[in-house]
Amino acid sequence: DAGVTQSPTHLIKTRGQQVTLRCSPKSGHDTVSWYQQALGQGPQFIFQYYEEEERQRGNFPDRFSGHQFPNYSSELNVNALWLGDSALYLCASSPTSGSSYNEQFFGPGTRLTVL
Amino acid sequence: AQSVTQPDIHITVSEGASLELRCNYSYGATPYLFWYVQSPGQGLQLLLKYFSGDTLVQGIKGFEAEFKRSQSSFNLRKPSVHWSDAAEYFCAVAPWGSASKIIFGSGTRLSIRP
Repeated sequence: DAGVTQSPTHLIKTRGQQVTLRCSPKSGHDTVSWYQQALGQGPQFIFQYYEEEERQRGNFPDRFSGHQFPNYSSELNVNALWLGDSALYLCASSPTSGSSYNEQFFGPGTRLTVL
Repeated sequence: AQSVTQPDIHITVSEGASLELRCNYSYGATPYLFWYVQSPGQGLQLLLKYFSGDTLVQGIKGFEAEFKRSQSSFNLRKPSVHWSDAAEYFCAVAPWGSASKIIFGSGTRLSIRP
């Protein structure tokens, strides 16, 4: 079992650009959540996808959008990047049933640097 | 509003010494409670979780935590730390009945003195 995988590992963009981050959930998991972790901070919830729809959203602007595909993988898109978007972006997956219900498994993250 | 407070930004303990990391939460009802560990350049690994039942929870790597409703606390403990325990530790809460939106504390960095 590969666990949660994310790509790319690192990314450098300039202000105003757009970025897409990718996540493949753990086998058997159908729910994907995204978190932003700024340096020295705890992760902050961005949104969660289930059945290809955004189910819940944190306090992030519309510049942050996402998508979930039929195979449960997910993308996080950020438009009009600014310096404050520099962070580690974490993807977490969870099942909707079974013994791990209500537990989120995290990927290694994508480190985004905005110059 | 829901929140998690980890009052200690950085703690240093000697290898073999006991450890307690503090966590206080603010929530309207009994939430789901978690402790995660993050090593440099790594994602988050779940150490333990509390949903209901016994208030003393055992986790991986020899860690345990105790839920105290009266104090709104969920402190993490380990009787004897190892050098490999050096990492960032995050306490987190989620609404009872769903871990769909986890709220994290700001973390406590643990250093181990040889």
